[in-house]
Amino acid sequence: NAGVTQTPKFQVLKTGQSMTLQCAQDMNHNSMYWYRQDPGMGLRLIYYSASEGTTDKGEVPNGYNVSRLNKREFSLRLESAAPSQTSVYFCASSESGTGEHEQYFGPGTRLTVT
Amino acid sequence: GEDVEQSLFLSVREGDSSVINCTYTDSSSTYLYWYKQEPGAGLQLLTYIFSNMDMKQDQRLTVLLNKKDKHLSLRIADTQTGDSAIYFCAERTGGYQKVTFGTGTKLQVIP
Repeated sequence: NAGVTQTPKFQVLKTGQSMTLQCAQDMNHNSMYWYRQDPGMGLRLIYYSASEGTTDKGEVPNGYNVSRLNKREFSLRLESAAPSQTSVYFCASSESGTGEHEQYFGPGTRLTVT
Repeated sequence: GEDVEQSLFLSVREGDSSVINCTYTDSSSTYLYWYKQEPGAGLQLLTYIFSNMDMKQDQRLTVLLNKKDKHLSLRIADTQTGDSAIYFCAERTGGYQKVTFGTGTKLQVIP
């Protein structure tokens, strides 16, 4: 199993450009998440999807949109990139129902907006 | 609201014990987690503790939970250079998607 995969690994954008970050998981998990990681701020939740067909805002959703394309794939779109969106982006997935719900993380996308 | 705090940096000598501390504010936490992030990688679950426990041991790892003070700690015995990483404390409150991560503690192990 590949687990959680993300593309691209690195990206440089100019202010105002758009792009989509792709994420896929092969663990048949219902729940998927997008986080951003900034120095000294830990991980902050951007959006999550509790199940196929549903998405909800997290702590920092402004400037982002998401699509839960199917059970495997959850994409994050920046419509008009800003320097404040320079960050490392992580996708994660987890089971639902009872239990400790370990989140499985992808390797991250390092995005720089100039 | 939820807030999870950790010190940013810890340096220990190889072979010593490391203790990484975390405080949280939400008393309705159900699970508390420790995740490890190695350079250039995503987070990986190290261990977790259910809120009705006060201690959990797993090989070199010991987790202590003090619910009264809302304090969580991770002790790594016989710390090795391979333990150098960033360690994140996290708490789950309410639904399974509601996980709040701390700022992370960077552990440096000196040979």
